[in-house]
Amino acid sequence: RKEVEQDPGPFNVPEGATVAFNCTYSNSASQSFFWYRQDCRKEPKLLMSVYSSGNEDGRFTAQLNRASQYISLLIRDSKLSDSATYLCVVKADSNYQLIWGAGTKLIIKP
Amino acid sequence: DGGITQSPKYLFRKEGQNVTLSCEQNLNHDAMYWYRQDPGQGLRLIYYSQIVNDFQKGDIAEGYSVSREKKESFPLTVTSAQKNPTAFYLCASSIWGGSTDTQYFGPGTRLTVL
Repeated sequence: RKEVEQDPGPFNVPEGATVAFNCTYSNSASQSFFWYRQDCRKEPKLLMSVYSSGNEDGRFTAQLNRASQYISLLIRDSKLSDSATYLCVVKADSNYQLIWGAGTKLIIKP
Repeated sequence: DGGITQSPKYLFRKEGQNVTLSCEQNLNHDAMYWYRQDPGQGLRLIYYSQIVNDFQKGDIAEGYSVSREKKESFPLTVTSAQKNPTAFYLCASSIWGGSTDTQYFGPGTRLTVL
């Protein structure tokens, strides 16, 4: 089992719709969680950190479910510019390494 | 503007040659990292450094070497011992390498072995 797993997609979603995807992690000691966005052939950029209580940034909402060991990302009112690959990242406090998921590809269609 | 620069953007290498990828940051970050990304896979850590003149191996260090002589610079050498070096290489930095630290990435170098 991979340490961090994501559905590779692609998720094809019409503009304006709401889309959500999950990421599961295997290490129950994981303490820090992040969503990064990566455009085609570009570097990853931090989208948002995921806090235990959940957090929202505009149209984006991230949730953490420790009992089931997954994090989620919800995008409301999707825009064409949201098309990208979304990378789930997990870090255990025992070391400084980030464990990266392979990403979920999202395509927003007009 | 503060940021991380990587050069070159594209690099072609013949089999059996060593090649060095440049990474420079002017963010005054202590920690720097090298990752490799292959299609359909997550980023994998090659090496990281939390302080000048010190660095640690990541998950896939074999066939790679690094140096950290200056805080701003963390070059990666891909040696001929690396069996499958064609990949997208990403350099990142963070303030100090702690668990809640955000990593910022350079634009990457695409290495192709001919």
